[in-house]
Order: sequence, then C-alpha cells, then structure tokens
Amino acid sequence: DADVTQTPRNRITKTGKRIMLECSQTKGHDRMYWYRQDPGLGLRLIYYSFDVKDINKGEISDGYSVSRQAQAKFSLSLESAIPNQTALYFCATSAGRTGQTDNEQFFGPGTRLTVL
Amino acid sequence: EDQVTQSPEALRLQEGESSSLNCSYTVSGLRGLFWYRQDPGKGPEFLFTLYSAGEEKEKERLKATLTKKESFLHITAPKPEDSATYLCAVRDMNTGFQKLVFGTGTRLLVSP
Repeated sequence: DADVTQTPRNRITKTGKRIMLECSQTKGHDRMYWYRQDPGLGLRLIYYSFDVKDINKGEISDGYSVSRQAQAKFSLSLESAIPNQTALYFCATSAGRTGQTDNEQFFGPGTRLTVL
Repeated sequence: EDQVTQSPEALRLQEGESSSLNCSYTVSGLRGLFWYRQDPGKGPEFLFTLYSAGEEKEKERLKATLTKKESFLHITAPKPEDSATYLCAVRDMNTGFQKLVFGTGTRLLVSP
C-alpha cells in the first residue's frame, strides 16, 4: 500500500467552484506539504504544516486554504477555482528533525486538476 | 533568492551510453541538495541527499556528486527503465524550515 495517498487523482471543475484535495499518509510523519507543479516552473510550495496546530503559507498560497484534520491528514481547498489553478498538485510528508535525515520529503502520486 | 537551474532540459541516450545531468544552484547557506526521480503521472521519488562539497552517493547506475556551486547526476550504462524526469532541489539553512527550492528538471529518454 502507498505511504502517501491523494484523492481524487483527476478532477475537472468549472471556474468559481469550490474544490477540496485530500492527502493521507501512513508514514507517521509530523510534517506535511502541498505543492503544485506546472510545466516549465517546477514544484512550488503552497502550504506546509509541522503538526496539527502549526500551519504556514508557502510561496504561492493566494487562492488556497488548508486544513490539518489529524497528524495523517492534510487537505487543500480552492475556495473559488480559476483556470490558472489548473496544475498537478502533490502532497508530501517528512519526519521531524532527526539529525541529517530530517529533510527527505516523500511525495504522493498527485492530483491532476483542470479548471475550465 | 535561492535558485536552481538544471541542464539540459532534455537528454536522449542510447542504452549503455553514459552521461551526466547538471544542477547549478545559488543559495546563501546550503543545507542539503536533493535528487528526485519523477515518472510520468507519478509523484517525485527520493533518490539522494548531499550535504557538503565533495560528497558522493551511489544507487545502482546513478551517482550523485556535489561541489560548492553544482551537483551532477552521473548515469552509467543507462537502461530504458532509467527514462524519467530527474529533479534537483536545495534547502537553504537560513529558511528555518524544510522548504525545498526545485529546479525544472531534466527529461531523460533512454532508447534500447
């Protein structure tokens, strides 16, 4: 079974609709992240969470919100979707600080979102 | 501002034809350079972390090296199953958290 799962895997929606992407992990990691990937731009950080009570904005958080429902669950919402939010969205996790192994992030399979 | 530039954007090799991918970076204080492999339709898969100049790590046909300005991912005698996009990312010690800055990747195609 996959350690990091994302649902849905594909979603097509219309401009102005509210969309929620969900991420679950069984790795027991405290830290979770949401990225988007666009051709030619690489992966960019949207939000990150160090634990259930600690949520922070990344470099491109406008138009997005998140919820950390539990250690294992981290959801990303688009309150009112717009076409330029069409992208691949990835959830990632990492362990808390444990020396030099604290930096490895493990990614989910991604959600392909299309906003018409 | 931290920057990561990967070259070439795309690389086509014949099976068995060794080559190298480049990752040049600008960061105020490096706290890790990461290599990931990404297959089409999948999330990035962690390969290596390098922390200091001169460090090298190997995994099967892949070897990653690090200098103060760049990292190389050497692919020795590649096979078609090595075809993927290879991503490089850096972490700046001054960011205070696990923020990774990614390059745009090198698409590798290995033909039989």
